[in-house]
Amino acid sequence: DIQMTQSPSSLSASVGDRVTISCRASQSIGRALNWYHQKSGEAPKLLMYDASNLQSGVPSRFSGSGSGTDFTLTISSLQPEDFATYYCQQSYTAPTFGQGTKVEIK
Amino acid sequence: EVQLVESGGGLIQPGGSLRLSCAASGFTVMYNYMSWVRQAPGKGLEWVSALYSGGTTYYADSVRGRFTISSDNSKNALYLQMNNLRDEDTAVYYCAKQTSTSTTFHYWGQGALVTVSS
Repeated sequence: DIQMTQSPSSLSASVGDRVTISCRASQSIGRALNWYHQKSGEAPKLLMYDASNLQSGVPSRFSGSGSGTDFTLTISSLQPEDFATYYCQQSYTAPTFGQGTKVEIK
Repeated sequence: EVQLVESGGGLIQPGGSLRLSCAASGFTVMYNYMSWVRQAPGKGLEWVSALYSGGTTYYADSVRGRFTISSDNSKNALYLQMNNLRDEDTAVYYCAKQTSTSTTFHYWGQGALVTVSS
């Protein structure tokens, strides 16, 4: 299985901050990388697919980059509704997820 | 509008069986690509199984031989038959829709809680 490692595991930030979350794959996955966020008690929601494609309806403050083994999700200006847990997921082989990054209010 | 609604969760003893259902609307299950993804309490996400248009099935190593994914075209529903359940199968189980063989989960249900405990 391809292992996905996110960093950091958690972070504290303020509304308006620029936030960056990293995701590393244990082997090259091209650009087969998706990002989700999940609010407490809710199902995950797709944010980005194929590393840098914004899912329909997702605000443009979200962006993704990377290829091969290293990927990044950036929130340009954190909003109150963005406080959640973020997961990366590879779709190169049998899908696996990162352990999650919890974004909390500072 | 795509909607997925899971049902069938509950409390079950180790070694028992349970069948989860996922009622789909807004699209036809038999022509699409569907998966089950689970999340143990306080933990991350784990893909469990997939059913592709044409009937091909896939399973995670942790459930292969114990779980079976299937669909009912007349009910436009997806199922997960879970046998020989273990404590570590305790999780919220989500039904998810992919748009192709690429395992990108564009739509998710609200989840069904399965608790395996004596």
